[in-house]
Amino acid sequence: QVTLRESGPALVKPTQTLTLTCTFSGFSLSTYGMCVNWIRQPPGKALEWLARIDWDDDKYYSTSLKTRLTISKDTSKNQVVLTMTNMDPVDTATYYCAREDKGFDSWGQGTLVTVSS
Amino acid sequence: SYELTQPPSVSVSPGQTARITCSGDTLPKQYAYWYQQKPGQAPVLVIYKDSERPSGIPERFSGSSSGTTVTLTISGVQAEDEADYYCQSADSSGTWVFGGGTKLTVL
Repeated sequence: QVTLRESGPALVKPTQTLTLTCTFSGFSLSTYGMCVNWIRQPPGKALEWLARIDWDDDKYYSTSLKTRLTISKDTSKNQVVLTMTNMDPVDTATYYCAREDKGFDSWGQGTLVTVSS
Repeated sequence: SYELTQPPSVSVSPGQTARITCSGDTLPKQYAYWYQQKPGQAPVLVIYKDSERPSGIPERFSGSSSGTTVTLTISGVQAEDEADYYCQSADSSGTWVFGGGTKLTVL
């Protein structure tokens, strides 16, 4: 059974750096073709794709946010970490991680991050 | 930046067929994926690679592609199908994009 769980601060201040961790089980990110993605969703708004990391450590970022994002993995811990710098109130959203295998076939429950002073 | 365009809302009576479209320039070359999201829940994949259905997804969900438009069809809509639906595809650089979402209302 594949499971993913996001963890990180619920509240960050403007200009701070956000660090989110996705801890997963039921698959290995060292398996050929496996990927993990981060997606966010502001309250009442649409999904927005943020970043992806592949089994071979290739990384992809949203064009509009690439200067602020860094994605990394720790295969031994079954974790993927996303950092987002210079947080702003418009970054308030639920942040999800999802496994990619024939689409985003498994998602975490999401973690709500509020940006406020 | 690349965009996928969906209608904001679609309404249908129970038992009827709902069709949700998604338009984008790279759809003739890139697969489309569809997700269902109910309030307070994470999205669920209902269609992958234009028309494939994951295990556990009811047969009433189907997908099709024609040119720059892909369509999610729900046949015999049930009350439990009321949700937001998002299409997804890749842009020309291979990064992912989601559509703006369509709210399906079952009357």
